[in-house]
Amino acid sequence: SQTIHQWPATLVQPVGSPLSLECTVEGTSNPNLYWYRQAAGRGLQLLFYSVGIGQISSEVPQNLSASRPQDRQFILSSKKLLLSDSGFYLCAWMAGEQTSPLHFGNGTRLTVT
Amino acid sequence: GDSVTQMEGPVTLSEEAFLTINCTYTATGYPSLFWYVQYPGEGLQLLLKATKADDKGSNKGFEATYRKETTSFHLEKGSVQVSDSAVYFCALRSGGTSYGKLTFGQGTILTVHP
Repeated sequence: SQTIHQWPATLVQPVGSPLSLECTVEGTSNPNLYWYRQAAGRGLQLLFYSVGIGQISSEVPQNLSASRPQDRQFILSSKKLLLSDSGFYLCAWMAGEQTSPLHFGNGTRLTVT
Repeated sequence: GDSVTQMEGPVTLSEEAFLTINCTYTATGYPSLFWYVQYPGEGLQLLLKATKADDKGSNKGFEATYRKETTSFHLEKGSVQVSDSAVYFCALRSGGTSYGKLTFGQGTILTVHP
């Protein structure tokens, strides 16, 4: 069966420090991959998505970047964190069919101090 | 653009009460519709889905029917339990080339008291 791993679970970082969040999927090939951010514990905003290795699409201009160095690995990064980057970051994957649901990881709680 | 509107929460119910969480949407083409649930400190779990008009999704006693004429996908459960306390999200995926992206509503907090 397919599983998704996201780490770390929690992270406290000072303003101006770099960031790297990692997500890996097991048990499937060539998934679509997504990074969402959930602010204030409520709505979800799509940050990036990827339909293949090295293919990254950004949904909103921001201080973050994403990379997909391997088929089932998706990384969210920042060179210098801002206070406004605090939030709950969720990675998700989807099989190729248009009606398939997204499957989410357990998320990373990022606090920028 | 696509959008999902959920009823404002929080919703507070007693155990065994009937639950309705309203969800309406605006989308191009024929979207697929989803309900997700989020327990405290966790990611989102798929609750149910419907992919065409008049489809009914169901899981764990929850149901929702895809109503194209009213652009709605309301979530219902006949008898809630304390363990149903969570945040519920309605979401859609547009037909056509969407690369699988989901658009979410703002979420509705449900609290069930014994």
